[in-house]
Amino acid sequence: DTAVSQTPKYLVTQMGNDKSIKCEQNLGHDTMYWYKQDSKKFLKIMFSYNNKELIINETVPNRFSPKSPDKAHLNLHINSLELGDSAVYFCASSHRARQGSEKLFFGSGTQLSVL
Amino acid sequence: GQNIDQPTEMTATEGAIVQINCTYQTSGFNGLFWYQQHAGEAPTFLSYNVLDGLEEKGRFSSFLSRSKGYSYLLLKELQMKDSASYLCAVRDDAGFQKLVFGTGTRLLVSP
Repeated sequence: DTAVSQTPKYLVTQMGNDKSIKCEQNLGHDTMYWYKQDSKKFLKIMFSYNNKELIINETVPNRFSPKSPDKAHLNLHINSLELGDSAVYFCASSHRARQGSEKLFFGSGTQLSVL
Repeated sequence: GQNIDQPTEMTATEGAIVQINCTYQTSGFNGLFWYQQHAGEAPTFLSYNVLDGLEEKGRFSSFLSRSKGYSYLLLKELQMKDSASYLCAVRDDAGFQKLVFGTGTRLLVSP
């Protein structure tokens, strides 16, 4: 019954590799996000999709490519991984509602370690 | 630019009251959120303010002053399980739910 699920939970890989993180939500939301949380616990938005359309792209290197096959899924592919990519990546979803109080629901996070 | 400031760490005793402050300077303002994040877990929603004043929800209350760019989260009757990070986030875009987060305040509740 997990609302926002992302896999894998842990990802350890070598520099230069390509990896993907998958995210799925069963809340019927139309907007999904990727956030990055660094070692200082600072949570920063990377991308947002609304109904499969990219609406937020926050100066993220183009080694990062989000893909949304449908509004319930938003995957993140990372090419040529670098040491600085090590962080926890959170997927989230919300409904782009008329009321402003619509909150984000986060997945449990993917801890990426680049060696 | 976007700037959201919170104290890095706070400590308090079980049963006490603690106030976590947040000041913000953002290009726009369409609401302020507080999230709780336990170590190794996802952030979870606590409260939302868009108008000035106090919003109360059980042991937790959140206050907003838009003219001062200031909010606080008040936690009463602290319990050990309240030990977590508390993230202040401002929504600066009315349409797309873009939340700008502060660095969070780590609260440690001791017996």
